[in-house]
Amino acid sequence: EPEVTQTPSHQVTQMGQEVILRCVPISNHLYFYWYRQILGQKVEFLVSFYNNEISEKSEIFDDQFSVERPDGSNFTLKIRSTKLEDSAMYFCASSAGTTDTQYFGPGTRLTVL
Amino acid sequence: ELKVEQNPLFLSMQEGKNYTIYCNYSTTSDRLYWYRQDPGKSLESLFVLLSNGAVKQEGRLMASLDTKARLSTLHITAAVHDLSATYFCAVDPFMDTGRRALTFGSGTRLQVQP
Repeated sequence: EPEVTQTPSHQVTQMGQEVILRCVPISNHLYFYWYRQILGQKVEFLVSFYNNEISEKSEIFDDQFSVERPDGSNFTLKIRSTKLEDSAMYFCASSAGTTDTQYFGPGTRLTVL
Repeated sequence: ELKVEQNPLFLSMQEGKNYTIYCNYSTTSDRLYWYRQDPGKSLESLFVLLSNGAVKQEGRLMASLDTKARLSTLHITAAVHDLSATYFCAVDPFMDTGRRALTFGSGTRLQVQP
């Protein structure tokens, strides 16, 4: 069964460093999303992406964040200068259409020291 | 601001018992999801409820949606240990906001004791 994959599974970085989290959505899906979950808290929406541009973003998704689809398969989330409070599990999701179920990847645990 | 409230937040129950998790939300929506999350793992889609009165069942889990009451329930029948996990409801706010970003509840951590 097709699934969303994410790399790395765990990323440790120093505060102020840039990180790039990578996702490979399900191959025939057109809509891509990033969510995050701070340990023990609810899942929060960050951004959605369609047709090579951002379609929605939350207040969390400030200028430190960016997303890109650099080729036909990868979808990346970049955090330019990480802060301690960026430590969280980051989930990528994809859906075939806007009305379809969003399927989540296994997540990348980001730890900022 | 869309609010999604789940209760209870923590549920410890014995195997064989029945219980219901509730998900209340504050916006107009005709689409609600239930996800399961095991510790340290991703979110597994359980149910998509697409209209008022929708009911879906899979094994010992049954989900329903009442869009007029803005309430969804996840009912557990004759719980078994394998159902121990955290369950999230997530609301699609498109009808109200034109946005597809899911808003999640806080999750219900279910622990089934033998």
